[in-house]
Amino acid sequence: SQQGEEDPQALSIQEGENATMNCSYKTSINNLQWYRQNSGRGLVHLILIRSNEREKHSGRLRVTLDTSKKSSSLLITASRAADTASYFCATDAKGSARQLTFGSGTQLTVLP
Amino acid sequence: DTEVTQTPKHLVMGMTNKKSLKCEQHMGHRAMYWYKQKAKKPPELMFVYSYEKLSINESVPSRFSPECPNSSLLNLHLHALQPEDSALYLCASIGLAGSGSSYNEQFFGPGTRLTVL
Repeated sequence: SQQGEEDPQALSIQEGENATMNCSYKTSINNLQWYRQNSGRGLVHLILIRSNEREKHSGRLRVTLDTSKKSSSLLITASRAADTASYFCATDAKGSARQLTFGSGTQLTVLP
Repeated sequence: DTEVTQTPKHLVMGMTNKKSLKCEQHMGHRAMYWYKQKAKKPPELMFVYSYEKLSINESVPSRFSPECPNSSLLNLHLHALQPEDSALYLCASIGLAGSGSSYNEQFFGPGTRLTVL
């Protein structure tokens, strides 16, 4: 079942700009993860943030987590055309036995 | 080896056919998953195997039959499918607690694109 929503559904930006995607979820979580998917391909794990963390960085990625609002954001800085993909948040809910529930996804298009 | 492989990449089948999808990983992961993904939608969980035993079945129709013959292999047997079953089928695996590092991250295979005519 789908845990959360992401917004925007689609985002189109110029190369070099920053892209921000937001994710909301409904239940208490162990962690929240962001995945990337190129068209028709498998998902690639980007970053994981635990429920007791508020911010995490990995290269050009910055993730924030606000458990009081049940929301997370993914910021991609200095975007590149190769960042064009769908981005999904996924929550590992407490008591879920390592079962991920995915958000609705954001389709990011970076124009060269 | 940090890879999940899936075969075939593409599969076209009629509604009366029987076929199987195969997934393999050699990372020592003891939990494996099948997801179904329709175009422009997020993956939807179908089945979870933990230690080679089916632990979660998300009310999937019986025309989909999973099998985990050993800790490295996961199969999905397909029979009498409907055109609406056409989708990308993704396999994933994860280490379980005590099994080492990165036991929160699910590793996904590239998927099998299934078309049911």
